[in-house]
This record gives sequence, C-alpha cells and structure tokens, in this order.
Amino acid sequence: DAGVIQSPRHEVTEMGQEVTLRCKPISGHDYLFWYRQTMMRGLELLIYFNNNVPIDDSGMPEDRFSAKMPNASFSTLKIQPSEPRDSAVYFCASSFDRAGYTFGSGTRLTVV
Amino acid sequence: DAKTTQPTSMDCAEGRAANLPCNHSTISGNEYVYWYRQIHSQGPQYIIHGLKNNETNEMASLIITEDRKSSTLILPHATLRDTAVYYCIARGSGSARQLTFGSGTQLTVLP
Repeated sequence: DAGVIQSPRHEVTEMGQEVTLRCKPISGHDYLFWYRQTMMRGLELLIYFNNNVPIDDSGMPEDRFSAKMPNASFSTLKIQPSEPRDSAVYFCASSFDRAGYTFGSGTRLTVV
Repeated sequence: DAKTTQPTSMDCAEGRAANLPCNHSTISGNEYVYWYRQIHSQGPQYIIHGLKNNETNEMASLIITEDRKSSTLILPHATLRDTAVYYCIARGSGSARQLTFGSGTQLTVLP
C-alpha cells in the first residue's frame, strides 16, 4: 500500500487566492482526519470524517475553510480566500480501527 | 480524553535504551494510551498503544503502571534515526475518534 497520499507537497499562493489540498486515504480505512501544524499551536485537528460523512468540524478555524469527502478514496480541504496566517503544514490521516492513524507526508502551505 | 504530561526534551546515547515517561493521572478505565512520533518535516508515525497490559512490537515497548496513572515508552536500542518528537496521548474507546496531540517530548539521540 502506498500509504496516505497528499498533494501537493508544497504550495505557495498569494493572499486572497483559493487553495485546495488533496488527500487519498488508505484503501479500506473508514476514518479520515485533517490536521494543521504550526510552531505556535502544534498539531490541531480541523475536521474528521467517518464513512465519508463529516463528524466533527469544530476545529475548522472559520468559514474560509471547507472540507469534503465525495467518496472513500478522496478528500479535499479548501481555503477561500487564503490569508498569510493560514501558512502551516496540513496533514491528512486515515484509520480503520483502534490500531492507530496513518499520516500522509503533509502539504506545506505558504500564503504571501 | 485525559490530559498527559511529558518532559519537554530528553537526550539518549546511541545504542542505549531510551525511556520516555508520560503522566496521565486522570486517565479513565476505558482510555487507551497511544504513542506517536514525528521526525522533522514528516507526518506523525504510530508507534504503539495499550490499555493496561504492557505491550511490545517491533518498534518499542510500552510499560503501563498498575494504577495506569503513568506509562513509559522504551526504545531498546536508540539510533540517530530515532531523534524525533514523541507524543503520548490518552484516548477513550467511545465514538469520538480524534487524537489530541500535546507538545510531546523532543528526544535527541546523541552519537
């Protein structure tokens, strides 16, 4: 298995632009999580899905952020419009049972 | 989920055992203890988890005290590649599936 696949690995965009981050979870995993990591705040859970349904989005910072999971093999995290304070590393993770999460390599987002 | 407390940083000599402590004094009976690590610029990596019995896998051993108020992650023969931030997390077995990461312990393995 190729693991959790995130794209792009790096994204540099101008303030005000729309940004879309993508994630392909491990086949068979029924949970998908989006985290954000910054030096100041560490790893923060943004939202998670179970069987493609959003369960808890209380970590989404504001309405500029949205996430979708149209099917079991794909999820997106969109920021529109982007702001410099959104600069962070965004991780996607998936899991099947209590054994633990598998994280992707992350997307490093820089908003200038 | 119960709060966990870990030292901010630790050093370990290469080839020696690294023992990383974690306090979780308010842990409830159905909460598991999970350990993850994050090597610089990579995503967190699952290491091991347990409820009350000691656990061992190819990466590490997890020792949980009888009262479950603390645990220790043991890397038996630390290598330079084990340098990372190690996170100890307590999570219940209920419907909530999210893991809440704290600040973790920065382990530096010294040559």
